[in-house]
Amino acid sequence: GAVVSQHPSRVICKSGTSVKIECRSLDFQATTMFWYRQFPKKSLMLMATSNEGSKATYEQGVEKDKFLINHASLTLSTLTVTSAHPEDSSFYICSASLEEQFFGPGTRLTVL
Amino acid sequence: KQEVTQIPAALSVPEGENLVLNCSFTDSAIYNLQWFRQDPGKGLTSLLLIQSSQREQTSGRLNASLDKSSGRSTLYIAASQPGDSATYLCAVTLRDSSYKLIFGSGTRLLVRP
Repeated sequence: GAVVSQHPSRVICKSGTSVKIECRSLDFQATTMFWYRQFPKKSLMLMATSNEGSKATYEQGVEKDKFLINHASLTLSTLTVTSAHPEDSSFYICSASLEEQFFGPGTRLTVL
Repeated sequence: KQEVTQIPAALSVPEGENLVLNCSFTDSAIYNLQWFRQDPGKGLTSLLLIQSSQREQTSGRLNASLDKSSGRSTLYIAASQPGDSATYLCAVTLRDSSYKLIFGSGTRLLVRP
């Protein structure tokens, strides 16, 4: 149990386009989901906390207009990287919380 | 502000060795501590979770200890194998309403055949 999926697993896009990443809890309902970003050989940095039915809470230094988060249901949260630029290239990982956090497999974003 | 540190940053050992990875945290007000494994380009696999009231947890060849008062945790891997090669991350869950996880920078382990 407690499986979290992410889609897509990899995406390559042109600079200036927007990219949407989905995070789903497959076998449980999660009122809270978290989005992380990971640079090569670095640890995970929390970007935002997503609560179902309410606005996301962003960590200091994370642009909320750049990284749009929607948590429309208890099993789905989406992260949209708007007007992506090469510096947004990174590994994005979500987690869904049932007290313990269960992590998705990650999405590798490459912006050309 | 909670900070999590892992030592060493990288470790290379021959197959069969027993090894210890270290994790320290600055604020003892934690809900729990977890150890994760991450393979290159992949997500996280949870290895062990220790509640704040517990002292240790074991799973197979892995044993994790927690000393909350001193802000330390260790992950002990017995009889290491090449398949254990990965990055090991520890993370603490904040004891507040956010349940945020704060991660250490990780230890990159290479077990040589």
